[in-house]
Amino acid sequence: QVQLEQSGAELKKPGASVKVSCKASGYTFTSNGIIWVRQAPGQGLEWLGWSSAYNGHTRYAQNFQGRVTMSTDTSTSTAYMELRSLRFDDTAVYYCAREDFDYAGLLDYWGQGTLVTVSS
Amino acid sequence: EIVLTQSPGTLSLSPGERATLSCRASQSVSNNYLAWYQQKPGQAPRLLIYGASSRATGIPDRFSGSGSGTDFTLTISRLEPEDFAVYYCQYYDSTAPPFGGGTKVEIK
Repeated sequence: QVQLEQSGAELKKPGASVKVSCKASGYTFTSNGIIWVRQAPGQGLEWLGWSSAYNGHTRYAQNFQGRVTMSTDTSTSTAYMELRSLRFDDTAVYYCAREDFDYAGLLDYWGQGTLVTVSS
Repeated sequence: EIVLTQSPGTLSLSPGERATLSCRASQSVSNNYLAWYQQKPGQAPRLLIYGASSRATGIPDRFSGSGSGTDFTLTISRLEPEDFAVYYCQYYDSTAPPFGGGTKVEIK
């Protein structure tokens, strides 16, 4: 069965960086893209970006250009999302999700989420 | 850039009742690439509907999606206790696929 296992909760200070991992299993990792979505407390879903597990290509939401880096490691079937220059309003649950093979942008399986708290 | 507006913000219903959720797009959605997700408290979202009307694997047939162009609807024919949750629509044929703001279906 498809599973996406994310790294644990993080507590960071403003200005720091955080790197969240997402280990995939149950499917051929290079066949699907990985998308990252975040959810601030009590808020809706915000699309952060996409990375191809096949060739490493990425695409980021305009609001995060220059501050986010997404990558994949095919040797360990793991995707990563690094967010730099953290601000208080980056406090959120960060989700990785698998992009459907047939429909780009459709999220068919999700990780459990990683809470990132930015606090001084 | 397409903006998705969901209504109502909150829907208060009793188990066994029918729920009708709306998602309106600011521009026509190409190929009906509109999805619905369900999110329960403390859990990740789960894909329910894609292509506006196709149920994802394992989704009960009390969930149905309809619509085209700019107006889409998610219908839950008879609410079960486990259906009380927040529902999001998403237009996924985009370079930065947007989500709607969500509709919370709560127990009346």
